[in-house]
Amino acid sequence: DAKTTQPPSMDCAEGRAANLPCNHSTISGNEYVYWYRQIHSQGPQYIIHGLKNNETNEMASLIITEDRKSSTLILPHATLRDTAVYYCIVRVVNAGNMLTFGGGTRLMVKP
Amino acid sequence: GAGVSQTPSNKVTEKGKYVELRCDPISGHTALYWYRQSLGQGPEFLIYFQGTGAADDSGLPNDRFFAVRPEGSVSTLKIQRTERGDSAVYLCASSQGFLGSPLHFGNGTRLTVT
Repeated sequence: DAKTTQPPSMDCAEGRAANLPCNHSTISGNEYVYWYRQIHSQGPQYIIHGLKNNETNEMASLIITEDRKSSTLILPHATLRDTAVYYCIVRVVNAGNMLTFGGGTRLMVKP
Repeated sequence: GAGVSQTPSNKVTEKGKYVELRCDPISGHTALYWYRQSLGQGPEFLIYFQGTGAADDSGLPNDRFFAVRPEGSVSTLKIQRTERGDSAVYLCASSQGFLGSPLHFGNGTRLTVT
């Protein structure tokens, strides 16, 4: 699977949008971009995934650049409960292929 | 609905002992994964099942680690002759198994080897 590069940490003010970047310059055509987050003492939580189109769900939006070499996860109105480590993962989409986690971005939402 | 359930949530054992960690996946999920997470690190893949068979066990660190899923649902991760370096959070995840289906994780078992 392609490697990803994320900043180790970011801060965001409560109520503001949190924009988490991810570089995946070696992504292949058959690899999707997945985002997970992990709140302290819990297992990773699935947020969203996409191939090349922008995606939105009740948790977040995913913006993928046209060349697919980078993406941004957007939490539109961050709350204190969004404080977590956010993992950007590229995954070859064969049935059952596992996820390979990197170091992630530690997002701190501050009041 | 019910998520992935892992038991026990905490396990303390002595060096050299045998331990079993249990995972109950989401009902109907055909794929099941085990990961291990050390403090301050991202989860590390151990093994993946599709149905009853281990489709990929390339992440198991050595032959002291073994996992089974005899009926294609519940899985047990078994660790023989535990070592202090085995101390970590062991995470289980399941997915529907179709192309691109996301993994859903449990909250893990924290194993401490003294």
